[in-house]
Amino acid sequence: EAGVAQSPRYKIIEKRQSVAFWCNPISGHATLYWYQQILGQGPKLLIQFQNNGVVDDSQLPKDRFSAERLKGVDSTLKIQPAKLEDSAVYLCASSSTSSVQATSPLHFGNGTRLTVT
Amino acid sequence: QKEVEQNSGPLSVPEGAIASLNCTYSDRVSQSFFWYRQYSGKSPELIMSIYSNGDKEDGRFTAQLNKASQYVSLLIRDSQPSDSATYLCAVLNQAGTALIFGKGTTLSVSS
Repeated sequence: EAGVAQSPRYKIIEKRQSVAFWCNPISGHATLYWYQQILGQGPKLLIQFQNNGVVDDSQLPKDRFSAERLKGVDSTLKIQPAKLEDSAVYLCASSSTSSVQATSPLHFGNGTRLTVT
Repeated sequence: QKEVEQNSGPLSVPEGAIASLNCTYSDRVSQSFFWYRQYSGKSPELIMSIYSNGDKEDGRFTAQLNKASQYVSLLIRDSQPSDSATYLCAVLNQAGTALIFGKGTTLSVSS
């Protein structure tokens, strides 16, 4: 099966600019996650979708970050305006069920590396 | 918010040795635990999951869970240079729907 697809792989922008990341999950996976991984740290959950509904966005900085999954398939994460501290790898993951377990683990994409200068 | 703590390392072991990676978690009611491996510049990949107290073995990997001590570990036997990576410990959130990750431990296996 095809994996989780993300684009672009790399993005360099100046602070205060806007940027968008795209993710296409594994076919049939209802649950989609966006994680932020700052260098030297573990992934931090930003937002979780179940189909096209938001399950958890408690750690999403809503003053500058937004995400959508309009048709319950692919998703877009946007940052506007970007800050220096947003430099990180943005990982998209998907799961076949709403509960994470060994039989339905998270599958990660290759990520988008964002550098804000 | 649950917390997952790991020693960031680096942990250096010679080839063929046993590497021991440790993780503690703050929420006593946590039930499900996962170990992910992340090579430099790559995305995390699942190695093992563990739900019950005790040991769970899969090839050269053994996960150990002690819920009373809120402690989970990963042992890698016969370590190989290809095992050099960052190992992330993750705990399922209260809703059971997403993973909370530790900072990861960097393992370096020298030949």
